[in-house]
Amino acid sequence: AQSVTQLGSHVSVSEGALVLLRCNYSSSVPPYLFWYVQYPNQGLQLLLKYTTGATLVKGINGFEAEFKKSETSFHLTKPSAHMSDAAEYFCAAGNQFYFGTGTSLTVIP
Amino acid sequence: GAVVSQHPSRVICKSGTSVKIECRSLDFQATTMFWYRQFPKQSLMLMATSNEGSKATYEQGVEKDKFLINHASLTLSTLTVTSAHPEDSSFYICSALQGANTEAFFGQGTRLTVV
Repeated sequence: AQSVTQLGSHVSVSEGALVLLRCNYSSSVPPYLFWYVQYPNQGLQLLLKYTTGATLVKGINGFEAEFKKSETSFHLTKPSAHMSDAAEYFCAAGNQFYFGTGTSLTVIP
Repeated sequence: GAVVSQHPSRVICKSGTSVKIECRSLDFQATTMFWYRQFPKQSLMLMATSNEGSKATYEQGVEKDKFLINHASLTLSTLTVTSAHPEDSSFYICSALQGANTEAFFGQGTRLTVV
């Protein structure tokens, strides 16, 4: 069974618009949740993570995500998209870092 | 933040030869390292979990005799692709856990091309 599901392999938003990237995880994995960003031919950079504590997590570059246990979700948001946000975004979960299929974000000027 | 160095960043090899990829934690000790494979425009697929001083745990469907993993020290894990074939061409990425920290730090990846 898929441990992490990212709805929408491609998301396009206008510059300045809200960014919402969806992630749902399986309740069978420990609720350690992560969002990573990947630029072409590069490794992964951690945007933010949830392990314990406050369910609303703030990360780098203005991104944040909210852990909702009842919905087994950890959606990534940013109030205002910037051109530099265009990249591939991966949600990961569990202590073995199972990754979702990724979402390619395009920002339209 | 902690740094993970992966070497080489790119490698081209002939079919039938073996290639070794190194993953080093530069400023911390990594008791656990992970190896992933990423196909173009796809997600990272966990291949194996490597614990220092013990045998790696491979994910279902990953051939342990083809993808040899050695984690001989707390700062180094290696992945050897044996008898490489063109279908092994891919982007390989490692990550390392710093002690009890739940955050994994990723290497920059290795682009393997088998010709």
